[in-house]
Amino acid sequence: DTGVSQDPRHKITKRGQNVTFRCDPISEHNRLYWYRQTLGQGPEFLTYFQNEAQLEKSRLLSDRFSAERPKGSFSTLEIQRTEQGDSAMYLCASSEEGGNTIYFGEGSWLTVV
Amino acid sequence: QKEVEQDPGPLSVPEGAIVSLNCTYSNSAFQYFMWYRQYSRKGPELLMYTYSSGNKEDGRFTAQVDKSSKYISLFIRDSQPSDSATYLCATYLVFGKGTRLSVIA
Repeated sequence: DTGVSQDPRHKITKRGQNVTFRCDPISEHNRLYWYRQTLGQGPEFLTYFQNEAQLEKSRLLSDRFSAERPKGSFSTLEIQRTEQGDSAMYLCASSEEGGNTIYFGEGSWLTVV
Repeated sequence: QKEVEQDPGPLSVPEGAIVSLNCTYSNSAFQYFMWYRQYSRKGPELLMYTYSSGNKEDGRFTAQVDKSSKYISLFIRDSQPSDSATYLCATYLVFGKGTRLSVIA
């Protein structure tokens, strides 16, 4: 049984560029979550999916951020026109439907220069 | 008021000490509470979860929930240097800031 997988693990990009992160959840989990974490802070909720439906979005998710889960399996998180303030670790997690415990991947580190 | 409050520490203890980590939460509707451990530059790892009030024990770890005071705790017995990490409390999509723990050999 593989855990939550994220790719790429590290990304350095110039301000203004677009970046995309991919997440593959645990195979039997139909809920998928995106969080953002900066140094010294806990993970901040961005959005979550149940199957392919995006059920909840945080106010943190500005219009430069978009997440998709087209077939209810893997998900992508795209950040357009990156800003230095977007530098953070982007965490993906998954859970069973109705499950209250979520399991995280190792995260994707973004550095915007 | 933030939904989950956690003292960020840092907390430094000698090896073998009993560690107490605590969080408070604001929404009395919360029923499930989780503790995660996070090593530097890694994703959070689920340690324990509890439902409603009471205690749950797993090896050297005990999680405790007091719904009357909206207080959750994690106790670590016989702490080891390998327990040095950031500990995050969480409930329904919301995480505390994490408490950084160092166990000194």
